[in-house]
Amino acid sequence: GDSVTQMEGPVTLSEEAFLTINCTYTATGYPSLFWYVQYPGEGLQLLLKATKADDKGSNKGFEATYRKETTSFHLEKGSVQVSDSAVYFCALDEKLTFGTGTRLTIIP
Amino acid sequence: NAGVMQNPRHLVRRRGQEARLRCSPMKGHSHVYWYRQLPEEGLKFMVYLQKENIIDESGMPKERFSAEFPKEGPSILRIQQVVRGDSAAYFCASSPLDGSTDTQYFGPGTRLTVL
Repeated sequence: GDSVTQMEGPVTLSEEAFLTINCTYTATGYPSLFWYVQYPGEGLQLLLKATKADDKGSNKGFEATYRKETTSFHLEKGSVQVSDSAVYFCALDEKLTFGTGTRLTIIP
Repeated sequence: NAGVMQNPRHLVRRRGQEARLRCSPMKGHSHVYWYRQLPEEGLKFMVYLQKENIIDESGMPKERFSAEFPKEGPSILRIQQVVRGDSAAYFCASSPLDGSTDTQYFGPGTRLTVL
């Protein structure tokens, strides 16, 4: 069945550092791919998405490119801020199959 | 346009009691999804409903759990005879009827604690 493998956390970075959170998937067909973010005590918010190969989703300085050849959808940000501290989930398709989440902490 | 609403936000039950969790989708949305998030884990799909229909319940435990989405009113996730292992955050999400997007919008969740 469909599955998502996500980089284990927690990840701790200094402010303004470069961020990569890896995500790879296994699926039949051509699923849509998503990154969701969960701030402390809140529900999930859609961060970005991509619906077909080579699409790049972007939002709030975050980017992820749908790579069919490597079945990956890695999340990147060039310069993280303290406010980016949260748990990030990679997911695929309508019946969202989620990765286990990566807890990111940014220290000033 | 109000977002997805869930209530209660926090629910405490003793073992053997019933828990009822409510979800009101966004206006114009007729697809509802329920997910469970166990401590320190990702979200797991439980059930997908449209108005008055269960479309996919492949993630629901076979016993004690049920869900409905009536023609009028919120979607309800019901857990009978709760056990400690049911303690988790339960999230509801909704998406539009017309399939214009596969994006789901999440509510803030209900945190269930079973004593």
